[in-house]
Amino acid sequence: AQSVTQLGSHVSVSEGALVLLRCNYSSSVPPYLFWYVQYPNQGLQLLLKYTSAATLVKGINGFEAEFKKSETSFHLTKPSAHMSDAAEYFCAVTRPGDYKLSFGAGTTVTVRA
Amino acid sequence: KAGVTQTPRYLIKTRGQQVTLSCSPISGHRSVSWYQQTPGQGLQFLFEYFSETQRNKGNFPGRFSGRQFSNSRSEMNVSTLELGDSALYLCASSFQREAGDTQYFGPGTRLTVL
Repeated sequence: AQSVTQLGSHVSVSEGALVLLRCNYSSSVPPYLFWYVQYPNQGLQLLLKYTSAATLVKGINGFEAEFKKSETSFHLTKPSAHMSDAAEYFCAVTRPGDYKLSFGAGTTVTVRA
Repeated sequence: KAGVTQTPRYLIKTRGQQVTLSCSPISGHRSVSWYQQTPGQGLQFLFEYFSETQRNKGNFPGRFSGRQFSNSRSEMNVSTLELGDSALYLCASSFQREAGDTQYFGPGTRLTVL
C-alpha cells in the first residue's frame, strides 16, 4: 500500500519568507509524486510532479520540490512567499500499475503581510 | 483548450434522495476519475473510467456509481443520500491512464445533504 504524510496542517509565513511544505511517502516501489494547490472554492491545480526524470523538479509560480529517496521525502519549497500563495496544498502519490491518486491530508498556507 | 467542467457547481438535496453529477473532460482525454473531498476524510478516490469501462473503484458503498459515455463525458450517481455524503466532488481527466500522467481537475460540485 502507498500513503502520503504531510507534516503540519497549517503553515504561516511572512510575505517574502521561505515557504517549506513537508511530504513523506511510503511505497514499496518507486512512486510518482505530485503537488497540487487548491484555492478557495476551486478544484486542484498541479504545481509540479516527479516521474523519475530529475530529482529536483521545478513547477509553476516559483515552486520546486526535491525527491529524496533515502529520506522518502518530496518537500515543496518557494524562496519568497507572495500573498497569492495563500491556499491549501496537497501532496499525492501514484505508483506503476496503480493509477489513482492517494493524497495527503493537506497543508493550509497563510501569508502574513 | 477548455478545462474540465463539472455541472452543477452546487446542489442541495435531502436525505434519501438521489443525485447525478456530470463531468466533461478536457477534449481528447479518455480517462476520468472522481474524488470526494470532505473536511474529515480529506480527498478520497471514488472510481475511474477509461473507454467507457470502470477500471478502478475506491472503498465506497454501492450507493455510489458512475458511468462514462462514448465522448468520454462521465456522470456519477449517489442514491439514497445520507448526511455524510455532503462533500465536494471533484472530477479529473487525463489523456491516458499511466501512473505518472497528470490528472487535471475540475472546479468540483459542492453537494449539501440536509
